[in-house]
Amino acid sequence: ETGVTQTPRHLVMGMTNKKSLKCEQHLGHNAMYWYKQSAKKPLELMFVYSLEERVENNSVPSRFSPECPNSSHLFLHLHTLQPEDSALYLCASSQVTSGTETQYFGPGTRLLVL
Amino acid sequence: QKEVEQNSGPLSVPEGAIASLNCTYSDRGSQSFFWYRQYSGKSPELIMSIYSNGDKEDGRFTAQLNKASQYVSLLIRDSQPSDSATYLCAVNSISNFGNEKLTFGTGTRLTIIP
Repeated sequence: ETGVTQTPRHLVMGMTNKKSLKCEQHLGHNAMYWYKQSAKKPLELMFVYSLEERVENNSVPSRFSPECPNSSHLFLHLHTLQPEDSALYLCASSQVTSGTETQYFGPGTRLLVL
Repeated sequence: QKEVEQNSGPLSVPEGAIASLNCTYSDRGSQSFFWYRQYSGKSPELIMSIYSNGDKEDGRFTAQLNKASQYVSLLIRDSQPSDSATYLCAVNSISNFGNEKLTFGTGTRLTIIP
């Protein structure tokens, strides 16, 4: 595997389900990100982990819970989601140095909440 | 609120012509600027980054940056049907948590007409 991978690629879940999204980066980067992309809206940054510590949480509802067990893996745990949470969820990684680093995206998970 | 503005399009350009995509940003402190290409149903793919005023060329792509006007553009020469995609402008800024983050525009949908 190369680059940034995400599983599953597609997910349909009910509002009472619990599911997890997985992201893995094979680039040796030290920062990972979760983004939400909804139709006609800009990419929304949800969470940032740098050196495995969460450094940013953009006021995301608690029904989204991130986990970063090491620098290569990132999870997004989902529970009691709402239909408006249906979107493309993108994971990205980068190498944090002294300036803004280039972020590389995974293929995304297309989530539909019924 | 630090913003990145793009014309959502669609922008239609004949094959072989020059496509010009524009982006303005509000944070005067921004230092890094990126253009991503996103095909329908796919994740964003980095095509250009620019950090200094002026032009930067890479093959058929030229990025132009004017920090005084807070303006960044992407030119695509000899446009091909395969260039048809949504182009996302991303600009770095300092978040409320003190770390650098990327802010994305909504993207411009480009269609190359054969």
